[in-house]
Amino acid sequence: DARVTQTPRHKVTEMGQEVTMRCQPILGHNTVFWYRQTMMQGLELLAYFRNRAPLDDSGMPKDRFSAEMPDATLATLKIQPSEPRDSAVYFCASGLVGSGSQETQYFGPGTRLLVL
Amino acid sequence: QKEVEQDPGPLSVPEGAIVSLNCTYSNSAFQYFMWYRQYSRKGPELLMYTYSSGNKEDGRFTAQVDKSSKYISLFIRDSQPSDSATYLCAIAGNNRKLIWGLGTSLAVNP
Repeated sequence: DARVTQTPRHKVTEMGQEVTMRCQPILGHNTVFWYRQTMMQGLELLAYFRNRAPLDDSGMPKDRFSAEMPDATLATLKIQPSEPRDSAVYFCASGLVGSGSQETQYFGPGTRLLVL
Repeated sequence: QKEVEQDPGPLSVPEGAIVSLNCTYSNSAFQYFMWYRQYSRKGPELLMYTYSSGNKEDGRFTAQVDKSSKYISLFIRDSQPSDSATYLCAIAGNNRKLIWGLGTSLAVNP
């Protein structure tokens, strides 16, 4: 069945290194979201795209984070340079807006990031 | 004050119990109310969706919205061990941008 996929599932890196996370949204979905989840803050929206155009990235630290959708089948989230406080689970979700039905967000399995 | 407040629990109940999970919110403009379920080490999945006020029932699950009190609830009847998960409320206004609760951890004990 159709699922959002994310790679890598786990990433351990050292402070200062670049981290790239990838997401393949469900085929046909036109909206992609990037979230970060921590125990203290819960789920925080970092950025979202509609039809590959960035609509809102106000939740993202601009100096080190960047999000792109090079094509309809790939979304990327980069952190450069990474810091220990970036340690979290990063989720990608996709959805279909404008279908007339409820706008469910379908989540991927997440990338568990640990920055040492 | 956070826009959406949710007691993180943990909540532990025996199998067969009725479970009540709640969220409060501060913005009266919110119109879309959702409950997501998240199993350990998985992404959240939509459980219930309600637009505006009222109740919605789906099997053992009932979602309630009280806009006058800015209060939403999820009830689980005849709870099962497979219901053990974290339940997150998510609320949105016309911009459809979801504001999430922290989640309530539920354990249903056989």
